[in-house]
Amino acid sequence: DADVTQTPRNRITKTGKRIMLECSQTKGHDRMYWYRQDPGLGLRLIYYSFDVKDINKGEISDGYSVSRQAQAKFSLSLESAIPNQTALYFCATSDLPRQGYNEQFFGPGTRLTVL
Amino acid sequence: GESVGLHLPTLSVQEGDNSIINCAYSNSASDYFIWYKQESGKGPQFIIDIRSNMDKRQGQRVTVLLNKTVKHLSLQIAATQPGDSAVYFCAEGPGSGEAGTALIFGKGTTLSVSS
Repeated sequence: DADVTQTPRNRITKTGKRIMLECSQTKGHDRMYWYRQDPGLGLRLIYYSFDVKDINKGEISDGYSVSRQAQAKFSLSLESAIPNQTALYFCATSDLPRQGYNEQFFGPGTRLTVL
Repeated sequence: GESVGLHLPTLSVQEGDNSIINCAYSNSASDYFIWYKQESGKGPQFIIDIRSNMDKRQGQRVTVLLNKTVKHLSLQIAATQPGDSAVYFCAEGPGSGEAGTALIFGKGTTLSVSS
């Protein structure tokens, strides 16, 4: 979805390096999410934020941190990257649930390789 | 714990056939369900969603069926085309409320369409 952008799209780094993945959205949504995708495991939630002052841990937050700099920006950091953090990372956004619907919109993904 | 899963990791069909992709969920409190399509190198894209107060919803060539009695969700694709080849994910979550967790995703089914 072009309304949700992620940078970089690909990154190769070494063990122990600090890495930041950035996400921006122009959809005007309050809610933003970071997921990790590994082969055969689907999408797993790392962190999510329901507004600028709200940060919540997801299923697999260990080794990651996030920053919600503005409504439109949500960054994911790996303070000291390790090889098992090699994965495809997706940012997503959603509006407040309306009438029971709660669709999330995904960015194109960042492929991260930790050597 | 709660989980969302798909019955089959892969499904192969002929062009023009109807495809049925299945998903089982375990959290009876979930009241919103959604199907995503993920093509190679792209982020998940919304296909169709359904609320727990419905048992069927139709879109263009797609139908989602929800059986709350057995906690089963299915995606039916009519007249499957080669462009439908992708990984399909189901997800469950809350359909309303300010609090609560984000969507929980299944592991995905890879649909291969041969012409």
